[in-house]
Amino acid sequence: QSALTQPASVSGSPGQSITISCTGTSSDVGSYNLVSWYQQHPGKAPKLMIYEGTKRPSGVSNRFSGSKSGNTASLTISGLQAEDEADYYCCSYGGSSTLVIFGGGTKLTVL
Amino acid sequence: QLQLQESGPGLVKPSETLSLTCSVSGGSIRSNNYYWGWVRQPPGKGLEWLGSIYYSGSTYYNPSLKSRVTMSVDTSKNQFSLKLSSVTAADTAVYYCATSRGYGSGTSYYFYYMDVWGKGTTVTVSS
Repeated sequence: QSALTQPASVSGSPGQSITISCTGTSSDVGSYNLVSWYQQHPGKAPKLMIYEGTKRPSGVSNRFSGSKSGNTASLTISGLQAEDEADYYCCSYGGSSTLVIFGGGTKLTVL
Repeated sequence: QLQLQESGPGLVKPSETLSLTCSVSGGSIRSNNYYWGWVRQPPGKGLEWLGSIYYSGSTYYNPSLKSRVTMSVDTSKNQFSLKLSSVTAADTAVYYCATSRGYGSGTSYYFYYMDVWGKGTTVTVSS
């Protein structure tokens, strides 16, 4: 099973909004509302930002939101801040044969 | 507050077995709220799920690594462990343990997300 497809990089200016896409198939992203998103700063462990497609853990800013359309999930960050600069990974339940599949990661640069 | 800490050798020789332990503090490994998982990240690359285990011993592994991965739980020590056999340079990575939310039934495992992560430990495979 191939990794979920994410853009290698996205960028935006402070205050702007950006969206990171995560494309899978009808066997994973398209079939379940089980996409999660992780933020990873250099040298640090990943941090859960969105789970079950649209839910935010306690303590995560409401500037982060998740959505899905068909086989593509998306993470939107509004009101970009310098501290949002990081790598972002999507992850999905991959069905009974694959179980768990990550995206390749997207590097967000805040200009 | 639940905390996880990985430990183990930072250097493993090719063809040998990598062994790591994750110590759980601030909560019980016998909690029915969690599975316990491992994820790795090769240098400069993305994340890869290795597998998850329940305190009862039920295990679910990445199919691509299943022949080399073994996970176990020690409830008396509040720890869980990872063993990866026949390692090569491609297994060089930062290894993370994390709480794994999901639901298992028999051979089926429905993964939801991973919410509490250890800081990670670097393992290099080299002679």
